[in-house]
Amino acid sequence: EDKVVQSPLSLVVHEGDTVTLNCSYEVTNFRSLLWYKQEKKAPTFLFMLTSSGIEKKSGRLSSILDKKELSSILNITATQTGDSAIYLCAVVDSGGGADGLTFGKGTHLIIQP
Amino acid sequence: DVKVTQSSRYLVKRTGEKVFLECVQDMDHENMFWYRQDPGLGLRLIYFSYDVKMKEKGDIPEGYSVSREKKERFSLILESASTNQTSMYLCASRSLSRDRVNEQYFGPGTRLTVT
Repeated sequence: EDKVVQSPLSLVVHEGDTVTLNCSYEVTNFRSLLWYKQEKKAPTFLFMLTSSGIEKKSGRLSSILDKKELSSILNITATQTGDSAIYLCAVVDSGGGADGLTFGKGTHLIIQP
Repeated sequence: DVKVTQSSRYLVKRTGEKVFLECVQDMDHENMFWYRQDPGLGLRLIYFSYDVKMKEKGDIPEGYSVSREKKERFSLILESASTNQTSMYLCASRSLSRDRVNEQYFGPGTRLTVT
């Protein structure tokens, strides 16, 4: 059975700190890994990582895929209170068809002023 | 911008009622999905649709059915609502274009309470 595990489940840091969120996966035929940020409502897309694109960066956020270790990290530097959210990791395998993503349970990040 | 909309943000229904949750996307995406999100359980796939009139069961289809008569609209149906179906329901849409494949966008969610 496919599995996506995120750690830590929750994290509290102070504004300005740097955080690293982890996602490990076990899927039959890995295709891509996605990171989402979820505040009050639906998740919003952050990054997609594939075999041909293992590192992405956008402002203070960056993500790396380690295919050997079957994992990914999401880094946030110089955190701000607006970064407080649940960060979701999801994986797609290439079993064909349009099957949905397999999600981890998320990391609840709280940035204290 | 991708736009996925859901018919209701909040919904309260009684046990045994038939419930329709509507999702519409305006980006001509082929694939559409229904998830439910519960504390401690994360996001779980209920049903998905490859294209018009096509549907596949996800991980937790029991108690649900779906309809996709038009490409832009994917409906989730609770034939007889039960209290264990109280949850946040999220619709998602995905393109099959080569450069954006697997980028999946979510609607705002519907918080359904069954009493």
